[in-house]
Amino acid sequence: DSGVTQTPKHLITATGQRVTLRCSPRSGDLSVYWYQQSLDQGLQFLIQYYNGEERAKGNILERFSAQQFPDLHSELNLSSLELGDSALYFCASSGGTGGPTGANVLTFGAGSRLTVL
Amino acid sequence: LAKTTQPISMDSYEGQEVNITCSHNNIATNDYITWYQQFPSQGPRFIIQGYKTKVTNEVASLFIPADRKSSTLSLPRVSLSDTAVYYCLVGDIRLTGGGNKLTFGTGTQLKVEL
Repeated sequence: DSGVTQTPKHLITATGQRVTLRCSPRSGDLSVYWYQQSLDQGLQFLIQYYNGEERAKGNILERFSAQQFPDLHSELNLSSLELGDSALYFCASSGGTGGPTGANVLTFGAGSRLTVL
Repeated sequence: LAKTTQPISMDSYEGQEVNITCSHNNIATNDYITWYQQFPSQGPRFIIQGYKTKVTNEVASLFIPADRKSSTLSLPRVSLSDTAVYYCLVGDIRLTGGGNKLTFGTGTQLKVEL
């Protein structure tokens, strides 16, 4: 258990629908990062939040949005879903001082697998 | 953030030592070099991190030359369970809220056979 919790683990939905993925960062971490990984592809950086504020944006589609709440958990909202949005979505956190990896390392969750039919 | 280049794939046999090199020519002064391991359908997992010279932990060693424009991850005596994708990531995320587009490269698919 990495300490980063992502829900749901699996999600199957239809094109045109909207889903919300949730991430709870490792205790003490203030930064949350979202990544998309399609089948046999690399990790695509989507967006980063730090202590509730958006700090960096990658190639995130306009149909996607995210936020980080005061309790530091984050949600990634995916709307008007298309077949090509089927992927693993990972959340990672950083910034805390606890644990073996410290502040300069990303700790990833187990991911949420989204299937769009 | 420094762009990284790694071999797409490598093959090895159990018990061999594997060295995976990552090039990062535009590494910045404050950047650290971090390696992650990813198994299929799992999140990447931290392996080792270094700034300069050599770092060793219980699973790997990291060699960084003086100019820091490349780094080599060394996995001693690999086993079948080391078959995974290995990513090197260069950057400094200690700066809290620094707006880091932490972009992973394509990674190296290591395949270990009997």
